[in-house]
Amino acid sequence: DGGITQSPKYLFRKEGQNVTLSCEQNLNHDAMYWYRQDPGQGLRLIYYSQIVNDFQKGDIAEGYSVSREKKESFPLTVTSAQKNPTAFYLCASSIGLGGRRTEAFFGQGTRLTVV
Amino acid sequence: AQTVTQSQPEMSVQEAETVTLSCTYDTSESDYYLFWYKQPPSRQMILVIRQEAYKQQNATENRFSVNFQKAAKSFSLKISDSQLGDAAMYFCAYRRGSGGYQKVTFGTGTKLQVIP
Repeated sequence: DGGITQSPKYLFRKEGQNVTLSCEQNLNHDAMYWYRQDPGQGLRLIYYSQIVNDFQKGDIAEGYSVSREKKESFPLTVTSAQKNPTAFYLCASSIGLGGRRTEAFFGQGTRLTVV
Repeated sequence: AQTVTQSQPEMSVQEAETVTLSCTYDTSESDYYLFWYKQPPSRQMILVIRQEAYKQQNATENRFSVNFQKAAKSFSLKISDSQLGDAAMYFCAYRRGSGGYQKVTFGTGTKLQVIP
Protein backbone atom coordinates (compact mmCIF):
# COMPACT_ATOMS: atom_id res chain seq x y z
CA ASP A 1 0.00 0.00 0.00
CA GLY A 2 1.25 3.46 -0.88
CA GLY A 3 1.38 6.06 1.83
CA ILE A 4 3.36 8.27 4.14
CA THR A 5 5.10 6.91 7.21
CA GLN A 6 6.16 9.08 10.08
CA SER A 7 8.29 7.79 12.93
CA PRO A 8 8.35 7.68 15.80
CA LYS A 9 4.76 8.21 16.88
CA TYR A 10 5.86 9.62 20.24
CA LEU A 11 9.19 11.33 20.93
CA PHE A 12 10.61 12.80 24.09
CA ARG A 13 13.44 15.30 24.05
CA LYS A 14 15.53 16.75 26.79
CA GLU A 15 16.23 20.45 26.92
CA GLY A 16 19.14 21.36 24.65
CA GLN A 17 18.99 18.25 22.48
CA ASN A 18 18.43 18.03 18.76
CA VAL A 19 15.96 15.42 17.55
CA THR A 20 15.07 14.22 14.06
CA LEU A 21 11.60 13.23 12.93
CA SER A 22 11.40 10.81 10.04
CA CYS A 23 9.03 11.06 7.07
CA GLU A 24 9.04 8.58 4.20
CA GLN A 25 6.61 8.32 1.28
CA ASN A 26 6.23 5.73 -1.47
CA LEU A 27 3.65 7.65 -3.49
CA ASN A 28 6.23 8.98 -5.95
CA HIS A 29 5.25 12.51 -4.98
CA ASP A 30 7.57 15.40 -5.76
CA ALA A 31 6.37 17.80 -3.05
CA MET A 32 6.69 17.23 0.69
CA TYR A 33 5.74 19.36 3.67
CA TRP A 34 6.19 19.64 7.42
CA TYR A 35 3.48 21.19 9.57
CA ARG A 36 3.27 21.91 13.26
CA GLN A 37 -0.10 21.68 15.00
CA ASP A 38 -0.82 23.41 18.29
CA PRO A 39 -4.25 23.68 19.96
CA GLY A 40 -6.27 26.56 18.52
CA GLN A 41 -3.68 27.40 15.86
CA GLY A 42 -4.42 24.92 13.13
CA LEU A 43 -1.55 23.72 10.94
CA ARG A 44 1.42 25.97 10.49
CA LEU A 45 3.94 25.32 7.74
CA ILE A 46 7.53 24.76 8.84
CA TYR A 47 9.30 23.76 5.61
CA TYR A 48 8.32 22.47 2.21
CA SER A 49 10.13 20.94 -0.72
CA GLN A 50 8.97 20.69 -4.31
CA ILE A 51 11.90 18.69 -5.62
CA VAL A 52 14.95 16.78 -4.45
CA ASN A 53 17.76 18.96 -3.10
CA ASP A 54 15.48 21.99 -2.86
CA PHE A 55 13.39 23.24 0.05
CA GLN A 56 11.84 26.47 1.23
CA LYS A 57 11.12 27.96 4.63
CA GLY A 58 7.52 28.12 5.67
CA ASP A 59 5.94 30.44 8.19
CA ILE A 60 7.69 29.13 11.33
CA ALA A 61 11.07 27.74 10.19
CA GLU A 62 13.18 29.17 13.02
CA GLY A 63 14.72 26.42 15.13
CA TYR A 64 14.08 23.72 12.52
CA SER A 65 16.10 22.26 9.67
CA VAL A 66 15.35 19.79 6.87
CA SER A 67 17.05 17.92 4.06
CA ARG A 68 15.76 16.40 0.83
CA GLU A 69 18.45 14.09 -0.48
CA LYS A 70 15.99 11.51 -1.77
CA LYS A 71 12.56 11.90 -3.30
CA GLU A 72 11.07 9.53 -0.75
CA SER A 73 12.45 11.13 2.39
CA PHE A 74 12.08 14.51 4.08
CA PRO A 75 13.41 14.40 7.66
CA LEU A 76 12.85 17.28 10.06
CA THR A 77 15.37 18.18 12.75
CA VAL A 78 14.14 20.11 15.74
CA THR A 79 17.17 21.93 17.09
CA SER A 80 17.89 23.30 20.54
CA ALA A 81 17.21 26.76 19.09
CA GLN A 82 13.50 25.95 18.93
CA LYS A 83 12.26 27.43 22.20
CA ASN A 84 8.90 25.70 22.40
CA PRO A 85 9.10 22.43 20.47
CA THR A 86 6.36 20.50 22.26
CA ALA A 87 3.71 19.97 19.59
CA PHE A 88 2.19 17.54 17.13
CA TYR A 89 4.11 17.36 13.85
CA LEU A 90 2.55 16.31 10.56
CA CYS A 91 4.34 15.39 7.36
CA ALA A 92 2.52 15.53 4.04
CA SER A 93 3.20 15.02 0.35
CA SER A 94 1.52 15.90 -2.92
CA ILE A 95 2.12 15.24 -6.59
CA GLY A 96 3.64 18.66 -7.13
CA LEU A 97 4.03 20.75 -10.26
CA GLY A 98 1.88 19.75 -13.20
CA GLY A 99 -0.36 17.42 -11.26
CA ARG A 100 -4.07 18.11 -11.30
CA ARG A 101 -4.72 16.03 -8.21
CA THR A 102 -3.04 18.48 -5.93
CA GLU A 103 -4.31 17.45 -2.53
CA ALA A 104 -1.84 16.69 0.22
CA PHE A 105 -1.65 13.24 1.77
CA PHE A 106 -0.68 13.08 5.42
CA GLY A 107 1.24 10.78 7.71
CA GLN A 108 -0.02 9.74 11.14
CA GLY A 109 1.98 12.41 12.92
CA THR A 110 4.64 12.56 15.63
CA ARG A 111 3.94 13.90 19.09
CA LEU A 112 7.09 15.60 20.42
CA THR A 113 7.36 16.41 24.11
CA VAL A 114 10.20 18.22 25.83
CA VAL A 115 10.98 16.77 29.24
CA ALA B 1 0.54 36.06 0.89
CA GLN B 2 -2.41 33.74 0.88
CA THR B 3 -4.46 33.47 4.05
CA VAL B 4 -7.29 31.16 5.03
CA THR B 5 -9.78 32.15 7.73
CA GLN B 6 -12.20 29.92 9.59
CA SER B 7 -14.25 32.12 11.91
CA GLN B 8 -16.10 29.35 13.74
CA PRO B 9 -13.83 27.65 16.31
CA GLU B 10 -16.61 25.25 17.34
CA MET B 11 -19.98 24.19 16.02
CA SER B 12 -22.55 21.58 16.92
CA VAL B 13 -25.27 19.78 14.98
CA GLN B 14 -27.96 17.28 15.81
CA GLU B 15 -27.55 13.87 14.28
CA ALA B 16 -29.30 13.66 10.87
CA GLU B 17 -29.41 17.45 10.54
CA THR B 18 -27.42 19.69 8.20
CA VAL B 19 -24.56 21.97 9.18
CA THR B 20 -22.45 24.48 7.24
CA LEU B 21 -18.86 25.34 8.09
CA SER B 22 -17.49 28.65 6.84
CA CYS B 23 -14.17 29.47 5.22
CA THR B 24 -12.87 32.60 3.53
CA TYR B 25 -9.53 33.09 1.85
CA ASP B 26 -7.45 35.86 0.43
CA THR B 27 -5.42 35.55 -2.75
CA SER B 28 -4.46 37.50 -5.84
CA GLU B 29 -4.12 34.33 -7.88
CA SER B 30 -6.72 33.19 -10.41
CA ASP B 31 -5.64 29.56 -10.58
CA TYR B 32 -5.85 27.71 -7.28
CA TYR B 33 -7.36 24.79 -5.41
CA LEU B 34 -9.39 24.67 -2.24
CA PHE B 35 -9.79 21.73 0.09
CA TRP B 36 -11.63 20.62 3.19
CA TYR B 37 -9.86 18.16 5.45
CA LYS B 38 -11.25 16.23 8.39
CA GLN B 39 -9.16 15.37 11.45
CA PRO B 40 -10.89 12.89 13.78
CA PRO B 41 -9.60 12.14 17.29
CA SER B 42 -7.05 9.75 15.77
CA ARG B 43 -5.46 12.93 14.31
CA GLN B 44 -5.17 11.38 10.83
CA MET B 45 -5.88 14.08 8.25
CA ILE B 46 -8.44 12.93 5.69
CA LEU B 47 -9.38 14.78 2.51
CA VAL B 48 -13.11 15.44 2.40
CA ILE B 49 -13.55 17.42 -0.79
CA ARG B 50 -11.59 19.39 -3.39
CA GLN B 51 -12.58 22.36 -5.58
CA GLU B 52 -10.70 23.73 -8.57
CA ALA B 53 -11.06 27.51 -8.86
CA TYR B 54 -11.61 27.36 -12.62
CA LYS B 55 -14.68 25.18 -12.17
CA GLN B 56 -17.92 27.05 -11.52
CA GLN B 57 -19.76 23.92 -10.45
CA ASN B 58 -19.65 23.24 -6.74
CA ALA B 59 -17.95 19.98 -5.77
CA THR B 60 -19.98 17.22 -4.12
CA GLU B 61 -18.91 14.02 -2.38
CA ASN B 62 -21.85 12.01 -1.06
CA ARG B 63 -23.17 13.93 1.99
CA PHE B 64 -20.53 16.65 1.65
CA SER B 65 -20.87 19.61 -0.68
CA VAL B 66 -19.33 23.04 -0.98
CA ASN B 67 -20.63 26.49 -1.79
CA PHE B 68 -17.79 28.11 -3.73
CA GLN B 69 -18.18 31.83 -4.25
CA LYS B 70 -15.08 32.92 -6.14
CA ALA B 71 -15.81 36.63 -6.24
CA ALA B 72 -16.49 36.69 -2.51
CA LYS B 73 -13.54 34.34 -1.82
CA SER B 74 -15.77 32.10 0.21
CA PHE B 75 -15.67 28.31 0.40
CA SER B 76 -18.16 26.79 2.84
CA LEU B 77 -18.69 23.09 3.54
CA LYS B 78 -22.18 21.65 3.96
CA ILE B 79 -22.61 18.32 5.71
CA SER B 80 -26.03 16.76 5.19
CA ASP B 81 -27.60 14.02 7.30
CA SER B 82 -24.88 14.44 9.94
CA GLN B 83 -23.58 11.25 11.52
CA LEU B 84 -21.76 10.64 14.78
CA GLY B 85 -18.65 9.78 12.77
CA ASP B 86 -18.60 13.28 11.35
CA ALA B 87 -17.47 14.65 14.72
CA ALA B 88 -13.96 15.99 14.11
CA MET B 89 -11.85 19.05 13.42
CA TYR B 90 -12.39 20.40 9.93
CA PHE B 91 -9.72 22.42 8.16
CA CYS B 92 -10.07 24.53 5.07
CA ALA B 93 -6.95 24.73 2.89
CA TYR B 94 -5.66 26.61 -0.15
CA ARG B 95 -3.04 25.87 -2.77
CA ARG B 96 -2.10 27.96 -5.78
CA GLY B 97 -2.52 26.13 -9.06
CA SER B 98 0.54 27.02 -11.07
CA GLY B 99 3.79 28.90 -11.06
CA GLY B 100 6.23 29.31 -8.22
CA TYR B 101 6.20 27.40 -4.99
CA GLN B 102 2.88 25.76 -4.28
CA LYS B 103 2.65 25.46 -0.55
CA VAL B 104 -0.63 24.44 1.07
CA THR B 105 -2.03 26.95 3.57
CA PHE B 106 -4.52 25.87 6.24
CA GLY B 107 -7.09 27.68 8.34
CA THR B 108 -7.23 27.34 12.12
CA GLY B 109 -9.99 24.73 12.01
CA THR B 110 -13.56 24.24 13.21
CA LYS B 111 -14.37 21.62 15.81
CA LEU B 112 -17.64 19.93 14.95
CA GLN B 113 -19.68 18.19 17.62
CA VAL B 114 -22.50 15.85 16.58
CA ILE B 115 -25.25 15.47 19.18
CA PRO B 116 -27.10 12.14 19.22
